[in-house]
Amino acid sequence: AQTVTQSQPEMSVQEAETVTLSCTYDTSESNYYLFWYKQPPSRQMILVIRQEAYKQQNATENRFSVNFQKAAKSFSLKISDSQLGDTAMYFCALQSSGANSKLTFGKGITLSVRP
Amino acid sequence: EPEVTQTPSHQVTQMGQEVILRCVPISNHLYFYWYRQILGQKVEFLVSFYNNEISEKSEIFDDQFSVERPDGSNFTLKIRSTKLEDSAMYFCASQQYRSEAFFGQGTRLTVV
Repeated sequence: AQTVTQSQPEMSVQEAETVTLSCTYDTSESNYYLFWYKQPPSRQMILVIRQEAYKQQNATENRFSVNFQKAAKSFSLKISDSQLGDTAMYFCALQSSGANSKLTFGKGITLSVRP
Repeated sequence: EPEVTQTPSHQVTQMGQEVILRCVPISNHLYFYWYRQILGQKVEFLVSFYNNEISEKSEIFDDQFSVERPDGSNFTLKIRSTKLEDSAMYFCASQQYRSEAFFGQGTRLTVV
């Protein structure tokens, strides 16, 4: 069975600063995908960033980057130059590489960006 | 930009009533999913669907739940006899092969 653990329930960061959100996971698969999704107060699920496990290079997407440590099964999200609009719930998720595989989500972390 | 569309955005129903939640996936996607999120909790997988068949379902997806793709565009989730504990946000998602899942904006179901 796959598991995703987000042990920090909430974090706060000053606007323009950098914050890192932690995630660890467990899977017996050799290839898989990892994701960070953002859920603002509207509760829509918005994809922030995606990492393929067979790629050693960490994914980046503008102000968002990940630190993917495959051996440690760790997948943290770094948000640089935090903006007020980054205030949201953030979910880490894992998906096997097989077709039609489900996403397994962590419990999420509430991020508040302070003005 | 293509998007997954869910209707209604909010549904209030009485306990014991049937509800149908509707989703229009992105047109060239092949794989479809329903997830639910009870308020304040994590997102949980309900069911996956491919080629007009259920691929996988979770323990939550019992005989009260069903899915179908009646006309090649809509993808529906039916709850036959709602319970109070079915109150949650329900998300539809669709995906192409080896691509990320795209989520709809969700349907908030309130059972009273």
